[in-house]
Amino acid sequence: QLLLQESGPRLVKPSETLSLTCTVFGGSISSSSYYWGWIRQPPGKGLEWLGNIYYSGSTYYSPSLRSRFTISVDTSTNQFSLKLSSVTAADTAVYYCARLRRSNMYYFDYWAQGTLVTVSS
Amino acid sequence: QTVVTQEPSFSVSPGGTVTLTCGLISGSVSASYYPSWYQQTPGQAPRTLIYNTDTRSSGVPDRFSASILGNKAALTITGAQADDESDYYCVLYLATGISLFGGGTKLTVL
Repeated sequence: QLLLQESGPRLVKPSETLSLTCTVFGGSISSSSYYWGWIRQPPGKGLEWLGNIYYSGSTYYSPSLRSRFTISVDTSTNQFSLKLSSVTAADTAVYYCARLRRSNMYYFDYWAQGTLVTVSS
Repeated sequence: QTVVTQEPSFSVSPGGTVTLTCGLISGSVSASYYPSWYQQTPGQAPRTLIYNTDTRSSGVPDRFSASILGNKAALTITGAQADDESDYYCVLYLATGISLFGGGTKLTVL
């Protein structure tokens, strides 16, 4: 059974960089069958896709958000990461990492439990 | 900018049938967008219901079905139950590596 687990600071100060890591347990991040994605959900609002990454390092970002986001992958540790620079209170959200199944399917089949990150001084 | 539309809210009576839709402001949704549907209850991660337009994920009851209706993707719940009261999100795969979520539909069962 695949398990995804986020880790990182839950409180970030305004203007600083938010960093989260998602560790994949029970499967290889290097599989050609999947992308790995980040999605967030501000309190009381809907889900917002941030970006996906392939194990090779190819990245795909939301066109409306790409300038502040960086997604990276480390196949040696079976992890992928999200960095969001110059955060504001509007970046307060539950952040989810998830696996996107590809190859004639293209859907998120496994989700982490989500991590609430609060931007506040 | 491509925007995926969903009804903000919907209400259904217990035992009733409801169809939620997922469209594009500009254009039609087709199977080539690989529409998928997710259910989310408060405080929980989303749960995958449907993928590839109409394929139920493992363990999803058959009262959930999906299709393309006209120019939209559609999720139908037949015989709604109280625990179907949730937020429902559709996701379209727009291009290589790019996904887009609809704004979600809050379904009330009463």
